[in-house]
Amino acid sequence: KQEVTQIPAALSVPEGENLVLNCSFTDSAIYNLQWFRQDPGKGLTSLLLIQSSQREQTSGRLNASLDKSSGRSTLYIAASQPGDSATYLCAVRNYGGSQGNLIFGKGTKLSVKP
Amino acid sequence: GAGVSQSPRYKVAKRGQDVALRCDPISGHVSLFWYQQALGQGPEFLTYFQNEAQLDKSGLPSDRFFAERPEGSVSTLKIQRTQQEDSAVYLCASSIGPTPGSNQPQHFGDGTRLSIL
Repeated sequence: KQEVTQIPAALSVPEGENLVLNCSFTDSAIYNLQWFRQDPGKGLTSLLLIQSSQREQTSGRLNASLDKSSGRSTLYIAASQPGDSATYLCAVRNYGGSQGNLIFGKGTKLSVKP
Repeated sequence: GAGVSQSPRYKVAKRGQDVALRCDPISGHVSLFWYQQALGQGPEFLTYFQNEAQLDKSGLPSDRFFAERPEGSVSTLKIQRTQQEDSAVYLCASSIGPTPGSNQPQHFGDGTRLSIL
C-alpha cells in the first residue's frame, strides 16, 4: 500500500530565505507526483506536476524534483515571502489499481515571517 | 464557472441526520473525484466518476456514503445517518482526462466543511 510522508510537519522561516520541503513515498510505481498549496479554509491549488519520466519542474520561484527510484521529491522555494505561508501537500498517482486517485501526505505547514 | 464549485461551504447537522453535498466540476471535465480531509491530515480518496459512471468507490468508509453524477456533470455526495466521525472537509476535484493514464492535474474546489453535533 502506497504511503506518502512529508517532513517537516511544520516550518517557520524569516522572509527571504530559500527553503526545501521533503516528500517520500514507499511504492516507486507512480504515474506522477503533484505538489499542492492549501490556504486555511480553502481547497487545494496545484503548484507543480511531475510525470514519472521527468526529473524536475519549475514555476517561478518554485522548483520540484523527483527521484522515483529512491521514492523522494523535494519542493524548493526561493526567496520566500509572507504570502507563501500555507500548508504544502505532496500527492502521488499510482499505476494501475484504482482510477487515478491521488494519495496524499499530511502536509508541511509553512510560516514565513516578515 | 472557471473553477470547481462546491456547496454548501459549511454544513452543521445533528447526529443521525442525512446530508447532501454538491460539486460542480469545471465544464467539460470528464473525471470527478471526492476526497475526505480530516483535521490536520491530507485528503483521502472516497470515490471516482468518469462521466456518469462511478468506476471506483473503494474509499467510501461505509454504506452510509453514497455518491452520484447522473448526467456526467454535477455530482452529489450523500451521507445518511451521520455520525460524529463523519466531521471533516469534503473536497471535490475534477480533471479533463478520462483515464488513469492521463497526466492532467486535478483541480480542487474549496470544499464543504461538515460538522456533526
